[in-house]
Amino acid sequence: ETGVTQTPRHLVMGMTNKKSLKCEQHLGHNAMYWYKQSAKKPLELMFVYSLEERVENNSVPSRFSPECPNSSHLFLHLHTLQPEDSALYLCASSQVGTGVGETQYFGPGTRLLVL
Amino acid sequence: AQSVSQHNHHVILSEAASLELGCNYSYGGTVNLFWYVQYPGQHLQLLLKYFSGDPLVKGIKGFEAEFIKSKFSFNLRKPSVQWSDTAEYFCAVNANTGRRALTFGSGTRLQVQP
Repeated sequence: ETGVTQTPRHLVMGMTNKKSLKCEQHLGHNAMYWYKQSAKKPLELMFVYSLEERVENNSVPSRFSPECPNSSHLFLHLHTLQPEDSALYLCASSQVGTGVGETQYFGPGTRLLVL
Repeated sequence: AQSVSQHNHHVILSEAASLELGCNYSYGGTVNLFWYVQYPGQHLQLLLKYFSGDPLVKGIKGFEAEFIKSKFSFNLRKPSVQWSDTAEYFCAVNANTGRRALTFGSGTRLQVQP
């Protein structure tokens, strides 16, 4: 498989559930990102990992917990979410440190519904 | 903080019409500029990008964009749209400061009628 993959593609969970979103990039990149796409709002950055270290956390509530075990994998652990957290969660990757502008490549997203 | 404005939220065109989608950003420094497209049911794909050099950049599927620094704009154009161009288009900016996050506009939904 090429590019950036995400699983699951759809997820329905209750507010007391714990679930995890998975992202895998097959591009040899060294930075990965989580974005949130809500209805009628611009895509919002959630987290940035560069060289497996979290370098940015965009004021995301603690009920979202990212994990980057290696440069190819990124997880988003979810617990005690709220209905307003229902959205499309997008993963992206890029190659940083090349000295030129970086292009981010996106996965298909996980559509999350919190009941 | 940087921000991106896309003024057209929903555009409806007939096939063969010309397209121009506006994008303005606010940031005083050097920026990298992108247009992404999201076709129905598909993921975000890069349409074109500007890092430096010639301000007129050409992308895939006949799209082009022009960076006008004095106007803080990066408008997307296509001379003749096709039904298959029906999609949502997102302008994005990344300040060339080491902060790697993309700041996105709210998107423009383009509907091309056959």
